[in-house]
Amino acid sequence: KAGVTQTPRYLIKTRGQQVTLSCSPISGHRSVSWYQQTPGQGLQFLFEYFSETQRNKGNFPGRFSGRQFSNSRSEMNVSTLELGDSALYLCASSLGERIGYTFGSGTRLTVV
Amino acid sequence: DQQVKQNSPSLSVQEGRISILNCDYTNSMFDYFLWYKKYPAEGPTFLISISSIKDKNEDGRFTVFLNKSAKHLSLHIVPSQPGDSAVYFCAASSMEYGNKLVFGAGTILRVKS
Repeated sequence: KAGVTQTPRYLIKTRGQQVTLSCSPISGHRSVSWYQQTPGQGLQFLFEYFSETQRNKGNFPGRFSGRQFSNSRSEMNVSTLELGDSALYLCASSLGERIGYTFGSGTRLTVV
Repeated sequence: DQQVKQNSPSLSVQEGRISILNCDYTNSMFDYFLWYKKYPAEGPTFLISISSIKDKNEDGRFTVFLNKSAKHLSLHIVPSQPGDSAVYFCAASSMEYGNKLVFGAGTILRVKS
């Protein structure tokens, strides 16, 4: 059974640019959540999508956005990149409410 | 406002001994707690969880203890193995948060052989 797939694995962008990250959940999982991990910090919740609707949102500026498609795949977008956005971005999918929560390997974003 | 705290940034333990990782939380609405293990360049891997209706859950070498009155939980690994060396994250959730997990900052565990 395929796990949660995140692409790309690594990305280098310049300040001011925008970036789109992709997440394919485990087959049958309809919930996709996104987290940001920076050095010395735990994982910070960005948002959750369920059946193409944003169901929950963390404390991040509006430059961070996401969406979910009908096949449950999700993308997150960061516009006007800042140096502080350099982080590991993790996606997790789940079967239902707090069931089978599984993380992907993440996308390492570096902003220069 | 850090609702989940792991106050020990790192822990070093001899192979075969017990590893105890600690986690404190402030939000009394949290009712479900999880421990994840993370290697560099990989996503977190689920280890063990506990619901607030229990005070202990065991799975092989891993046991999680929950003290609701103290808002404290701990993960015990017995016996510790070199392959257990990783970053361990404590996470909490509540019904009102749905699938949002609130994580601690993590503890680096080093198991020396």
